[in-house]
Amino acid sequence: AQKITQTQPGMFVQEKEAVTLDCTYDTSDQSYGLFWYKQPSSGEMIFLIYQGSYDEQNATEGRYSLNFQKARKSANLVISASQLGDSAMYFCAMREAPGYNNNDMRFGAGTRLTVKP
Amino acid sequence: NAGVTQTPKFRVLKTGQSMTLLCAQDMNHEYMYWYRQDPGMGLRLIHYSVGEGTTAKGEVPDGYNVSRLKKQNFLLGLESAAPSQTSVYFCASRISGANVLTFGAGSRLTVL
Repeated sequence: AQKITQTQPGMFVQEKEAVTLDCTYDTSDQSYGLFWYKQPSSGEMIFLIYQGSYDEQNATEGRYSLNFQKARKSANLVISASQLGDSAMYFCAMREAPGYNNNDMRFGAGTRLTVKP
Repeated sequence: NAGVTQTPKFRVLKTGQSMTLLCAQDMNHEYMYWYRQDPGMGLRLIHYSVGEGTTAKGEVPDGYNVSRLKKQNFLLGLESAAPSQTSVYFCASRISGANVLTFGAGSRLTVL
């Protein structure tokens, strides 16, 4: 069974600095997808970034990048130039064999990021 | 464009009562999901549907039932609510072939 581990319950970062949120995963599949979602205090789930297991390049979306280390089974989220609005819960998630009929997306427990002014 | 809409947003139940959460999406998505979110545990999949008239169990299906009579609606039912079902419930949907889920705003349920 797939498993997602986020070891940092809470993180602090100074505004304008970069921060890395850790995520490790466990799967025996070769084909899988990794996701990061943001949940602000208002509660909605906002998709940030996606990385496929066969993608050779690390995914980037604006200030977000995913540091994908396949051999170590890690998919850390890097937020550059932190802003106050980045304060939120961040969830790492994985779905095996994306594109097929696997619908079981598993989420980590989340990391609460607080950006200090 | 409303996206995914969940009703109600808040509900308080007594143990043993029943209720239904409604999820509606206007994006013509084939796949729909119900998750629950509990502190320290992330989101866990309850049930999902790959199309109208079909449903399947997820990671934590016990105590819940679902129905997908129309493509745009996915209902989550609690027949006899228990305090352990106090949680925030999220509905999500995606189009076939896409990886990203679109979530609703969540429904907070408290069972006393």
